[in-house]
Amino acid sequence: QVQLQESGPDLLRPSDTLSLTCTVSGGFISTHYWSWIRQPPGKGLEWIGNIFHTGTTNYNPSLTSRVTMSVDTSRNQFSLRLTSATAADTAVYFCAKMPARWEYWFDPWGQGTLVIVSS
Amino acid sequence: QSVLTQPPSVSGAPGQRVTISCTGSSSNIGAGYDVHWYQQLPGTAPKLLIYNDNNRPSGVPARFSGSRSGTSVSLAISGLQPEDEADYFCQSFDDSLSGIYVFGTGTKVTVL
Repeated sequence: QVQLQESGPDLLRPSDTLSLTCTVSGGFISTHYWSWIRQPPGKGLEWIGNIFHTGTTNYNPSLTSRVTMSVDTSRNQFSLRLTSATAADTAVYFCAKMPARWEYWFDPWGQGTLVIVSS
Repeated sequence: QSVLTQPPSVSGAPGQRVTISCTGSSSNIGAGYDVHWYQQLPGTAPKLLIYNDNNRPSGVPARFSGSRSGTSVSLAISGLQPEDEADYFCQSFDDSLSGIYVFGTGTKVTVL
């Protein structure tokens, strides 16, 4: 079955750009939608955005000015860039699969990666 | 940014039935958008528990069930087990602004 694995730096300075990659195994990225979701320590979940294999994106309006997502079908990977990071961006970042535009549950999820933004 | 409200905590003894409510508004649950539920064990990623209000993915025990009534949906755990102690989140779609996927505030289930 499909498995996802996040990778990227775990410590950033304020104003840095957060860059993460999600590698998809056990399935092709050229189907379904692919999502990023984050969870600040001890808090709830926040959807960041989706990307389709064609490159079509949909972002959370609260983050859209700082977020860019991209997909590399040759490597079966998709990526997240979040500019001008602040302490408020400290969170566990998860990547997940969403079956279709109107089948909007997230399954499966990657294990998550904790990103800390601190000076 | 949670727009779906859940009780912070619920508890029950092993074997009991507990329910978790998820309340939204006319731009999400009240508009008829499907609701999904996730279980998050400590230190792990969320796991899909229920999709489209009341459907269980393969492998999810039958003691987990979902239901809907108006602008509120619920997750029930019948025959509570010690391994059910976890955080539970609901999730739906909200058509305000340009449309976003929203999560509930989360509920901690404690098995007494």
